[in-house]
Amino acid sequence: GDSVTQMEGPVTLSEEAFLTINCTYTATGYPSLFWYVQYPGEGLQLLLKATKADDKGSNKGFEATYRKETTSFHLEKGSVQVSDSAVYFCALVNNDMRFGAGTRLTVKP
Amino acid sequence: GAGVSQSPSNKVTEKGKDVELRCDPISGHTALYWYRQSLGQGLEFLIYFQGNSAPDKSGLPSDRFSAERTGGSVSTLTIQRTQQEDSAVYLCASSHQGWPRPTSGAYNEQFFGPGTRLTVL
Repeated sequence: GDSVTQMEGPVTLSEEAFLTINCTYTATGYPSLFWYVQYPGEGLQLLLKATKADDKGSNKGFEATYRKETTSFHLEKGSVQVSDSAVYFCALVNNDMRFGAGTRLTVKP
Repeated sequence: GAGVSQSPSNKVTEKGKDVELRCDPISGHTALYWYRQSLGQGLEFLIYFQGNSAPDKSGLPSDRFSAERTGGSVSTLTIQRTQQEDSAVYLCASSHQGWPRPTSGAYNEQFFGPGTRLTVL
């Protein structure tokens, strides 16, 4: 069945560092891909999405490109802030929705 | 309401007791989803409602788990004879439409509630 594998955490970075969280998927057909973020004490929020190959989703300085050839949807941000500290989930929707295990990011001042 | 709400926010129960978890979706959303988030794990899909019917119950881990939705709105997830391995955060989400994806290729975003943290002693 469909599945999502994302980079294990936790990830600890200094403020203004470059962030990459890897995500790869296995699915039949043409799934839509998502990144969700869960800030401390809050529910999951959609961060960005891409619905077809080569689409780039972006929001709040985060970007991810839907790469069908490598079945990947890596999350990147050029300069992280302390307020980006959260758990990030990669997910896909095909016939149902599958989430990765989540990656905890801590950004230190 | 402004978003998806869940109650209670925290529930501590003894092994063997039954618990009920409630979800109030965003008004007008026809699809409702239950997930389970265990410590250090990703989100595990439990069940999906389209209106009051559940076309996909494949994620329910055992027959101790059941869910219902009435009036196309509020949903209740019931866990009977709770076990310690049921301890987790139970998340509810709602969206305008559900699965499979609309043929337009667009996806209707799922809006998540804050979750109910269940602890089985």
